[in-house]
Amino acid sequence: RKEVEQDPGPFNVPEGATVAFNCTYSNSASQSFFWYRQDCRKEPKLLMSVYSSGNEDGRFTAQLNRASQYISLLIRDSKLSDSATYLCVVNLNNAGNNRKLIWGLGTSLAVNP
Amino acid sequence: DAGVTQSPTHLIKTRGQQVTLRCSPKSGHDTVSWYQQALGQGPQFIFQYYEEEERQRGNFPDRFSGHQFPNYSSELNVNALLLGDSALYLCASRPRYNTDTQYFGPGTRLTVL
Repeated sequence: RKEVEQDPGPFNVPEGATVAFNCTYSNSASQSFFWYRQDCRKEPKLLMSVYSSGNEDGRFTAQLNRASQYISLLIRDSKLSDSATYLCVVNLNNAGNNRKLIWGLGTSLAVNP
Repeated sequence: DAGVTQSPTHLIKTRGQQVTLRCSPKSGHDTVSWYQQALGQGPQFIFQYYEEEERQRGNFPDRFSGHQFPNYSSELNVNALLLGDSALYLCASRPRYNTDTQYFGPGTRLTVL
């Protein structure tokens, strides 16, 4: 089983739709979680951190389910500009207090007019 | 305040050659990580530097080496290039004690022919 798994998609949705992505992780010792957005041929940019209590930033909501070991990202009222690849990242605390970021392969979203 | 910068933006090499990629971290950041991102894949961690030493390393052969300078800038060197080394090479920086948030540079796209 991969350490971090995402459905690669692509997800094709019309403008205004609500779309949700899930990401599962295998190591229960994982400590912090993030969603990054990556546009085609660009670098990843942090979209949001994911907290245990869930967090919301405008049209974006991220949630963490530690018991089932997954995180989710919900995008409401999707815009054309939301078209990108969404990468799930898990921060694992190694021995010696070294942190290790483990990246999923990304989920591709295409929002259509 | 400049963000993370990388040079060159694009590079074409042939098999067997050697390449050096450069990264300047965001102001105030002392920890630099390098990632390899093949097309359609998530970033793969190569190694991390702080205090001018390699601190963590991913599953990459010794052909991949690096260096960090006193001004926190960093180089990634790849020897004996293979076709499979063609990828986007990303540099990310953060302050040493903020392990959660990384800022990425625009990347260097390396093509090995």
